[in-house]
Amino acid sequence: EAGVAQSPRYKIIEKRQSVAFWCNPISGHATLYWYQQILGQGPKLLIQFQNNGVVDDSQLPKDRFSAERLKGVDSTLKIQPAKLEDSAVYLCASSSMGGQGVHEQYFGPGTRLTVT
Amino acid sequence: AQSVSQHNHHVILSEAASLELGCNYSYGGTVNLFWYVQYPGQHLQLLLKYFSGDPLVKGIKGFEAEFIKSKFSFNLRKPSVQWSDTAEYFCAVTSSTGKLIFGQGTTLQVKP
Repeated sequence: EAGVAQSPRYKIIEKRQSVAFWCNPISGHATLYWYQQILGQGPKLLIQFQNNGVVDDSQLPKDRFSAERLKGVDSTLKIQPAKLEDSAVYLCASSSMGGQGVHEQYFGPGTRLTVT
Repeated sequence: AQSVSQHNHHVILSEAASLELGCNYSYGGTVNLFWYVQYPGQHLQLLLKYFSGDPLVKGIKGFEAEFIKSKFSFNLRKPSVQWSDTAEYFCAVTSSTGKLIFGQGTTLQVKP
């Protein structure tokens, strides 16, 4: 079974530039998550999709971050314009529908973003 | 609001030493608890999980964790660590939507 795919793996941009990250979840996984992991901290959820609908985007800085999952499969996360504090690893995870309403999440390798 | 606190930020042990990493959470409802591990250069991967039932949970690679509801704790243990256990360890809790809330992580360094 192929895992969660993310690209690019690394990105360096200057502040005020824009950047986009791509994620392809495990085949058949209905739920997709984007997390931001700042150095020295645990991952923090930015947005959660169930198929192509948004379940939770309460911690997404909507003035600069956007995400979409148009066909309920792969997803794109965009930052425009980037700030220095956006330097982090952006993790994508996916999960399937399972029992008890809680589903194990499988993580991709992440995209390490450096904003200079 | 839910939160997770990991007490140890950086732990250094010699091989064969015993390990216990502390994790406390705050959440008033039914909790589902996880420990994730990130080996150097690798993805976050699930070490073990607790949904219900036996509060002593066994995971991969000889790890176990005990859910103590009265203490809001889910500490990770291993009787004898190996050099290959060097990694970062994250405790996490989920809400009913499946959102994972992570602690800040503990870096474990095992000296050969």
